[in-house]
Amino acid sequence: GAVVSQHPSRVICKSGTSVKIECRSLDFQATTMFWYRQFPKQSLMLMATSNEGSKATYEQGVEKDKFLINHASLTLSTLTVTSAHPEDSSFYICSARDLASGGESSYNEQFFGPGTRLTVL
Amino acid sequence: GQSLEQPSEVTAVEGAIVQINCTYQTSGFYGLSWYQQHDGGAPTFLSYNALDGLEETGRFSSFLSRSDSYGYLLLQELQMKDSASYFCAVRDDSGGYQKVTFGIGTKLQVIP
Repeated sequence: GAVVSQHPSRVICKSGTSVKIECRSLDFQATTMFWYRQFPKQSLMLMATSNEGSKATYEQGVEKDKFLINHASLTLSTLTVTSAHPEDSSFYICSARDLASGGESSYNEQFFGPGTRLTVL
Repeated sequence: GQSLEQPSEVTAVEGAIVQINCTYQTSGFYGLSWYQQHDGGAPTFLSYNALDGLEETGRFSSFLSRSDSYGYLLLQELQMKDSASYFCAVRDDSGGYQKVTFGIGTKLQVIP
């Protein structure tokens, strides 16, 4: 089945530093990857849609200069949290769609990575 | 924009049946999906309904009524391992492009 990995799984950093999170589709190609943030006991909030070879589409209220997204290849997207602050502490999850899948349900089935727990001190 | 409503918590007995409802408001609706998430884990896809009716996959079934903007997830023969959060999610293009928006999630607790 389709597997998505994330690295690192957990990171603790000091306030003001930048953190890069990688999202990889291991056994399929993904033209589109999604980045979500999830606070404890809350829903997944879509931050941005990452398209290979083009600029990411950010959701309303998400600062694109703070959350830098690079989708350099069909298997890799990165999210960089710049100048992180304690309020950025959250669970960041990426997901990807399988380019090769066809049919009505192919778009909607997103394969999620295991998530990255970011703690900013 | 979109809005989805689902109960925040549900408790059910092992072996029983539980139904988790989801109502939504959106334009440009494509379909409704369900995801399961265990504590500390990533969401996993359960089902997707684009058309009215019931879709069955093993112990889990999902239903959609487009005219009522309503769907539900039905879990049968509950097992302890089914304790998790269940999210309904709407696929639409109300923002000018297709995306999936998640509900707040329903925390299901299965008790012996």
